[in-house]
Amino acid sequence: DVKVTQSSRYLVKRTGEKVFLECVQDMDHENMFWYRQDPGLGLRLIYFSYDVKMKEKGDIPEGYSVSREKKERFSLILESASTNQTSMYLCASSPHRGATEAFFGQGTRLTVV
Amino acid sequence: QKEVEQDPGPLSVPEGAIVSLNCTYSNSAFQYFMWYRQYSRKGPELLMYTYSSGNKEDGRFTAQVDKSSKYISLFIRDSQPSDSATYLCAMSGYGNKLVFGAGTILRVKS
Repeated sequence: DVKVTQSSRYLVKRTGEKVFLECVQDMDHENMFWYRQDPGLGLRLIYFSYDVKMKEKGDIPEGYSVSREKKERFSLILESASTNQTSMYLCASSPHRGATEAFFGQGTRLTVV
Repeated sequence: QKEVEQDPGPLSVPEGAIVSLNCTYSNSAFQYFMWYRQYSRKGPELLMYTYSSGNKEDGRFTAQVDKSSKYISLFIRDSQPSDSATYLCAMSGYGNKLVFGAGTILRVKS
């Protein structure tokens, strides 16, 4: 089975802090994605990566950056956390470019106070 | 107008009922259609994956795609309390990003 592991289930951070969310997948997928999920808004794509050291902006990249130094690891960085970034963050990997058949991690519930 | 529309529910049914979950979409380029199940405080789990039109069955679950009507459905037979979750439809064109519906909350009462 594909396993996508996110480093934290719950995080509480202060406004202005730099926040790192880590994601690791064990299926050798080239494609990895970061989404955020908010009630009534569904899943929105923040950033994605089709290869090591490669990244592309999704629909809502403002306030975020990413890093992909190794194929299995994709990190999401909140440069200066704000309260409107309080959300559920979901990492996914896929054997396909467009996230078709994406496999998700368990999610990180981030609260910014 | 959203690319993918999905009734948020909640949909409440008795145990053993047949459940019908639906999504409509506007982009005729969509070719890949998925259903995800998400339990509370967990990540989405891929349930069904279909390409183009037609039906696909897996145990108690059947996915239907009608591209002419831009309408997809997920049927759950003999529903169980363990089926209580949020069901997300998702779809994409070839090589394009995945677009999700907002999710339907399903509650199966024992």
